[in-house]
Amino acid sequence: GESVGLHLPTLSVQEGDNSIINCAYSNSASDYFIWYKQESGKGPQFIIDIRSNMDKRQGQRVTVLLNKTVKHLSLQIAATQPGDSAVYFCAENFPYSSASKIIFGSGTRLSIRP
Amino acid sequence: DAGVTQSPTHLIKTRGQHVTLRCSPISGHKSVSWYQQVLGQGPQFIFQYYEKEERGRGNFPDRFSARQFPNYSSELNVNALLLGDSALYLCASSRDGRNTGELFFGEGSRLTVL
Repeated sequence: GESVGLHLPTLSVQEGDNSIINCAYSNSASDYFIWYKQESGKGPQFIIDIRSNMDKRQGQRVTVLLNKTVKHLSLQIAATQPGDSAVYFCAENFPYSSASKIIFGSGTRLSIRP
Repeated sequence: DAGVTQSPTHLIKTRGQHVTLRCSPISGHKSVSWYQQVLGQGPQFIFQYYEKEERGRGNFPDRFSARQFPNYSSELNVNALLLGDSALYLCASSRDGRNTGELFFGEGSRLTVL
């Protein structure tokens, strides 16, 4: 299927350190990529997006890097805080339809050590 | 401002029954999308509606159907429920339904099929 993976990879970081979450996307024709954060019991929340004509975009404490050559996306979170604990999904748009169809990856669970 | 609202938040059904899930988009948003999120996986696209017309459909059986009303709210219907339909059903709205725009998700309706 388009969303693969039954086991969430996990990342554990020390509070205050930087976190880097990596993602490989599937379709070289995708031109829009998004990172979502999903806390327990809640719906996904938009963090940051990037279009394929860019390779880096910065937000508040977050940076997204896009490497189209190897179809790789990463999310960097600076000075990780306890409130950053969540599952993080990378997502790409489905380029062969006008529909607003977003394809999600399997997610990475970020936990913060005090 | 109210975000995307979904109802019911939780429900339990038995195999073979039918379920209707409801979604109200953010005021001013004309597009509603539905996603299914099975435990431990990323959300999977089911439908998108824009201006009351189906814009896209994911790889789901005909037991799944949806519609959008003149006030842009939406219903997702699932007939002949199977155990595998147990999931969190997420509704997302966007202003114009483009596949390069930000989606705003609700908290979801958690369906358990026994």
